[in-house]
Amino acid sequence: NAGVMQNPRHLVRRRGQEARLRCSPMKGHSHVYWYRQLPEEGLKFMVYLQKENIIDESGMPKERFSAEFPKEGPSILRIQQVVRGDSAAYFCASSGQGTTGNTIYFGEGSWLTVV
Amino acid sequence: DQQVKQNSPSLSVQEGRISILNCDYTNSMFDYFLWYKKYPAEGPTFLISISSIKDKNEDGRFTVFLNKSAKHLSLHIVPSQPGDSAVYFCAATLYGNKLVFGAGTILRVKS
Repeated sequence: NAGVMQNPRHLVRRRGQEARLRCSPMKGHSHVYWYRQLPEEGLKFMVYLQKENIIDESGMPKERFSAEFPKEGPSILRIQQVVRGDSAAYFCASSGQGTTGNTIYFGEGSWLTVV
Repeated sequence: DQQVKQNSPSLSVQEGRISILNCDYTNSMFDYFLWYKKYPAEGPTFLISISSIKDKNEDGRFTVFLNKSAKHLSLHIVPSQPGDSAVYFCAATLYGNKLVFGAGTILRVKS
């Protein structure tokens, strides 16, 4: 897990507020992935980004969720108007070029609680 | 749609014995299968993987077996140690990038 930095580790938001989760990939990595883990479930793919491009967002909810990976700075997962069902652990992962699955490294996760 | 399934929510094993964690999948196009280990409040850590063209891969105490005809893979840990107690996730990839995870199996190794 060393190298993929996520913050905040824990975030509490009231219903209707916005949540922003940040991810700095491992040094030299240009691919970023976001996954969500709901209680008692496995990790679910949300979005795959490369610098300034969204490659695959097939796992993103259609509304309120967005992600970006700008040319400079961390990747951001943004959740607008949060609801209780958004409470989950959000994991970021990164990889370099020529990924074969076993070179995807995960961060420690950000735990979002909506009250 | 659950393309990767781990049907056993938990497994309890005595220290020193073998732990066998199972995983089934439905998509025959998956090209890599991986096992991750996860402790509470931490991110998943990669353990071992196997290409879809292989049937076995071994790394120390960990061996993964793939049975493509049955769409089944398993992770063997021998000998099991108390530090192995964690949640184990089976995952699969399509074209090497997007990981599809199972729901996980909690392994408890008793000393």
